[in-house]
Amino acid sequence: QVQLVQSGAEMRRPGASVKVSCKASGYTFSSYEINWVRQGTGQRPEWLGWVSPYSDGTAYAAKFVGRVSMTTDASMTTAYLELSSLRFDDTAVYYCARGRVGLYDLDYWGQGTLVTVSS
Amino acid sequence: QTVVTQETTLTVSPGGTVTLTCASSTGAVTHAYFPNWLQQKPGQSPRPLIFSTSNKYSWTPARFSGSLLGGKAALTLSGVQPEDEAEYYCLIYYGSEFVFGPGTKVTVL
Repeated sequence: QVQLVQSGAEMRRPGASVKVSCKASGYTFSSYEINWVRQGTGQRPEWLGWVSPYSDGTAYAAKFVGRVSMTTDASMTTAYLELSSLRFDDTAVYYCARGRVGLYDLDYWGQGTLVTVSS
Repeated sequence: QTVVTQETTLTVSPGGTVTLTCASSTGAVTHAYFPNWLQQKPGQSPRPLIFSTSNKYSWTPARFSGSLLGGKAALTLSGVQPEDEAEYYCLIYYGSEFVFGPGTKVTVL
């Protein structure tokens, strides 16, 4: 069965960077995109971008360009999200979600990783 | 900046029917926006229900259906069950990015 398992909770100071991983299993990793979505407490989800394991192509939401990097390691079937210059309002649960090319959906989601930015 | 809007809260009786809508500040929502609907309960990851306007996943209960209604994407719950109480988010694809709606809290009373 399709599974996306994310790394554990992280705490960072303002200005630091964080890297979250998403280990995929149960499907052909290179055939689907990995999207990253975050959700602050009591807020709507917010899409950060996607990465394509087969082309290494990426697309980032305009708000995060210059501060976000999404990569994959096909040998490990793992995707990574790195967010830099962290601010207090980056505190959120970060999710990875599988995206199907051409259908523009997010059909399987990871369990989420809480990133807390605190001084 | 694209804005997606949804009803804030809706209340429905068990066994009843309720329709949620999703509007876009850019104009009518069409199939070209590939509207999605996701359900989220407290402490859980969002669970996809509908993709590409009206298509269901293998796990989507038959009582959920998606459509376009009056220039908006719509999610209809028919024969509502107590376990349908949740937050529902629409997700719209704008060609280069996805935008989530603010969510509709559905209460089953």
